Amino acid sequence: GENVEQHPSTLSVQEGDSAVIKCTYSDSASNYFPWYKQELGKGPQLIIDIRSNVGEKKDQRIAVTLNKTAKHFSLHITETQPEDSAVYFCAGNSGGSNYKLTFGKGTLLTVNP
Amino acid sequence: SQTIHQWPATLVQPVGSPLSLECTVEGTSNPNLYWYRQAAGRGLQLLFYSVGIGQISSEVPQNLSASRPQDRQFILSSKKLLLSDSGFYLCAWSPMDRSSGYTFGSGTRLTVV
Repeated sequence: GENVEQHPSTLSVQEGDSAVIKCTYSDSASNYFPWYKQELGKGPQLIIDIRSNVGEKKDQRIAVTLNKTAKHFSLHITETQPEDSAVYFCAGNSGGSNYKLTFGKGTLLTVNP
Repeated sequence: SQTIHQWPATLVQPVGSPLSLECTVEGTSNPNLYWYRQAAGRGLQLLFYSVGIGQISSEVPQNLSASRPQDRQFILSSKKLLLSDSGFYLCAWSPMDRSSGYTFGSGTRLTVV
């Protein structure tokens, strides 16, 4: 089955700096990679996703890059703000499945004012 | 638009008591449905998923069971709770056509005492 590794487990940045979270996956059949943001006491929210037919996707301050050859994908947050502080999860779809995601263990991002 | 409802938000139950957590989805048909548990260590553990009424797949053998009596209703149950069942339980749905990723509910914080 799919195995998704996420690094770092914690990340602390100053407001205005950039933050990068990296994930690797094991299943070459995986073709969908979403990123979720979870604030304390709430359910995770989808913030951006990428499919294997593109290498990069951007939405305002958030971008995701995908390297299929190396089997890794990254989340980039620019001009970080205190409200970006949360736990971030990456995921990949197991075996290219329509319905089953395997999640990384999460990264606690803290943006210091 | 689609919405997902999960209740209750918090629950304190004694060891050995039964459990029933309910999740419903509105605004879509034939969704894929999921139950996840999130322990204090942040990881998201897939417990059950369902691709149709009466179709339940279990990912981890345990003290819990799931049922899908209606197309947009997913129930997580236990006959006798254990202390180790404490955690944050999340319901999620995704569309059958892979048009988007998971949408999570707001979660239930279960404490078994």
